Amino acid sequence: QSALTQPASVSGSPGQSITISCTGTSSDVGGYNYVSWYQQHPGKAPQLMIYDVNNRPSGVSNRFSASKSGNTASLTISGLQAEDEADYYCSSYASSDTYVFGTGTKVTVL
Amino acid sequence: QVQLVESGGGLVKPGGSLRLSCAASGFTFSDYYMTWIRQAPGKGLEWVSYISSTGSAIHYADSVKGRFTISRANAKNSLYLQMNSLKAEDTAVYYCARRGGISRIDYWGQGTLVTVSS
Repeated sequence: QSALTQPASVSGSPGQSITISCTGTSSDVGGYNYVSWYQQHPGKAPQLMIYDVNNRPSGVSNRFSASKSGNTASLTISGLQAEDEADYYCSSYASSDTYVFGTGTKVTVL
Repeated sequence: QVQLVESGGGLVKPGGSLRLSCAASGFTFSDYYMTWIRQAPGKGLEWVSYISSTGSAIHYADSVKGRFTISRANAKNSLYLQMNSLKAEDTAVYYCARRGGISRIDYWGQGTLVTVSS
């Protein structure tokens, strides 16, 4: 149950697009289409942004999109806004009916 | 609206025990899998355990297996986490969360802080 690998930080200017990667193995990300992404602002509980690789819950901006290729999933935020500054975590269902989270990425809006 | 309210956190000595509770409202509790997720201070999220809607299926992270027990009382709309043999590395905010789908943890409580220290 090793954590999925994410870059520690990603930054961009308002209006730009950024992409966060999430790398796992064939036992988690690569083995199932059950990757999700969470946004967490300081001192707050995480919020679901993407589920089942590329599905957005109602209420989540369409500026958030995601995909998966092999053992790596990606989250793209387009039209970056100040409110997008937060920590982002990927998560995947894994073998033996467990879950694993990513190491987390701090997004900074310059 | 969906609400999840955790309680039971606090300061406990290494080797001690603590029982967390989560009160759910705003949805049919007995229809959903539930999960506990924790976050050590300044660190990332770590999945701890989940339980099926009826309680017949339960799974734990290796880091807590044999020490933690998840349970639920559907009649009381409540989820529990019994934590025994606590270690310093169990210090974290513990979140109760609803699993809306296999990869869809769609509602989270605000968390309860557990501190394991002598």
